Amino acid sequence: QKEVEQDPGPLSVPEGAIVSLNCTYSNSAFQYFMWYRQYSRKGPELLMYTYSSGNKEDGRFTAQVDKSSKYISLFIRDSQPSDSATYLCAMSLNDYKLSFGAGTTVTVRA
Amino acid sequence: GAGVSQSPSNKVTEKGKDVELRCDPISGHTALYWYRQSLGQGLEFLIYFQGNSAPDKSGLPSDRFSAERTGGSVSTLTIQRTQQEDSAVYLCASTPSGGQTQYFGPGTRLLVL
Repeated sequence: QKEVEQDPGPLSVPEGAIVSLNCTYSNSAFQYFMWYRQYSRKGPELLMYTYSSGNKEDGRFTAQVDKSSKYISLFIRDSQPSDSATYLCAMSLNDYKLSFGAGTTVTVRA
Repeated sequence: GAGVSQSPSNKVTEKGKDVELRCDPISGHTALYWYRQSLGQGLEFLIYFQGNSAPDKSGLPSDRFSAERTGGSVSTLTIQRTQQEDSAVYLCASTPSGGQTQYFGPGTRLLVL
């Protein structure tokens, strides 16, 4: 079993829809949780970072962490074609060695 | 400002050859990481350098893989006697001192024929 599980999709939604992405993990010692966005042929860029259970909002993005269920989510409101990318969840025990999910490919149709 | 740069962008090599991949981190960043991204897989941690400390090499998949970081800046990842399963995108990232965000380069796409 992988340490971090993420459905690779692909996920296709119409413009303006809410995109819902999630990951589950097996190591209850993970303390830091991140979401990265990766455009085609580019390196990942950090979208959201949190280290506690609960919700964190940043503009159209909301990250949710449920440590009791070992489950994290990312929601994108009012999705735009420019949001089309691969979204990777990542988590860490010690704030440097990241364990990544496989990534979910999202397409937002205009 | 300049981000993390990697060279070459693409590398095609024959099985059994050695390859060197280069990473130039953001100026002043003290931490440097190498990851491997295979098709349909998440990023796999390979190695971590922090300042003058001994690197964390726990992610290197075999002794064919090695990395060094000269002068606390540029890093080179070397793969000896390449195998077809080494084909992947090799990503480098760096972090400033005390920072948590890893800034990634665009990667080197390695294809071993």
